[in-house]
Amino acid sequence: DTAVSQTPKYLVTQMGNDKSIKCEQNLGHDTMYWYKQDSKKFLKIMFSYNNKELIINETVPNRFSPKSPDKAHLNLHINSLELGDSAVYFCASSQGLQGVYNEQFFGPGTRLTVL
Amino acid sequence: RKEVEQDPGPFNVPEGATVAFNCTYSNSASQSFFWYRQDCRKEPKLLMSVYSSGNEDGRFTAQLNRASQYISLLIRDSKLSDSATYLCVVNITWRAGKLIFGQGTTLQVKP
Repeated sequence: DTAVSQTPKYLVTQMGNDKSIKCEQNLGHDTMYWYKQDSKKFLKIMFSYNNKELIINETVPNRFSPKSPDKAHLNLHINSLELGDSAVYFCASSQGLQGVYNEQFFGPGTRLTVL
Repeated sequence: RKEVEQDPGPFNVPEGATVAFNCTYSNSASQSFFWYRQDCRKEPKLLMSVYSSGNEDGRFTAQLNRASQYISLLIRDSKLSDSATYLCVVNITWRAGKLIFGQGTTLQVKP
């Protein structure tokens, strides 16, 4: 059974379009995250939600809007896509915010290419 | 200065070799430390947490030096399957969540 799943796995789109990436976890975790891994392989946190509440919102353009309909889902909507948005986007989840050694489990990633 | 710095490598070693990776972090208030492993075109997975007293998991040994803000990972008796990118990760908050990842060190184990 897949613990953290993301759809789609690949996304190729034109500049200016709006797209969404979906994430679901079946681990019963309270906390979910979105990360971006750029071409230089740096993995950077974008957002985190705990029980549907936004906890971390890094310096991310307003074009990126996360939505958590319930604690098992965290979707990422991107408006007006730009070339620089091309990257791999990873969703992750962890048991909760308390406990500094809580492991984060990552989804398989969504490879976004903006043409 | 990057918050978490690693030598990107690549480290090319023969099977059976011992290899060590180092990592430095800039935030002295960092709370917890990890090594994650990322295979090519795959997601990162937790390899091990790093505790203040150092810890070992099979062939893998992690050390933490808070005074020098330095973390290390030692891999003994390298296997071909150890080939991957090893990410040094720091949690800078008092509670879980905000992980800061290093760029990763690439290891290639050759027969």
